[in-house]
Amino acid sequence: GQNIDQPTEMTATEGAIVQINCTYQTSGFNGLFWYQQHAGEAPTFLSYNVLDGLEEKGRFSSFLSRSKGYSYLLLKELQMKDSASYLCAALDSNYQLIWGAGTKLIIKP
Amino acid sequence: IAGITQAPTSQILAAGRRMTLRCTQDMRHNAMYWYRQDLGLGLRLIHYSNTAGTTGKGEVPDGYSVSRANTDDFPLTLASAVPSQTSVYFCASSDSTGPYNEQFFGPGTRLTVL
Repeated sequence: GQNIDQPTEMTATEGAIVQINCTYQTSGFNGLFWYQQHAGEAPTFLSYNVLDGLEEKGRFSSFLSRSKGYSYLLLKELQMKDSASYLCAALDSNYQLIWGAGTKLIIKP
Repeated sequence: IAGITQAPTSQILAAGRRMTLRCTQDMRHNAMYWYRQDLGLGLRLIHYSNTAGTTGKGEVPDGYSVSRANTDDFPLTLASAVPSQTSVYFCASSDSTGPYNEQFFGPGTRLTVL
């Protein structure tokens, strides 16, 4: 079957760095998305990786290893507004997104 | 402002009633999707449409139907609501299917079936 695993909850300190991991098993693979979702709001796109390696976009970076079925989202210089859920989703061979349950990130002052 | 709108924002519905959730996008996206989001679970695809005039079943289609008469609108109908359909429903769209196509989400509809 198809499966996405990511931690349920993480806590970090304002100004610090946090890494949110995601492992995936899908029927075929056409890329890995990360979305941010604040409580009570819609998910918004953060990043997309289809090739191995690190993609940097400001304070956020996303890494992909296709051979290991593994990705991570790295958030630097954490701000209180980064408190949100982070959703990992893999695009399968039918171009449908398979979603993880999300990682709730709590930022403490 | 370009984007996706959903209506209603929230609804309390008696079991057995029929309900249509509305979704409209003005980005001229070809593909549209309906998801439900439940606590502790990932977004689950209910139905999708790759282009106007076509629809397909997702992971959890039972009890739901959709239509795609034009590019902009993608309504989701619950023919006879049951309590297990209590959830937050998100409509999304993308320029097309395939790689590199991020999905844009509407604000969601919070549905409670009693």
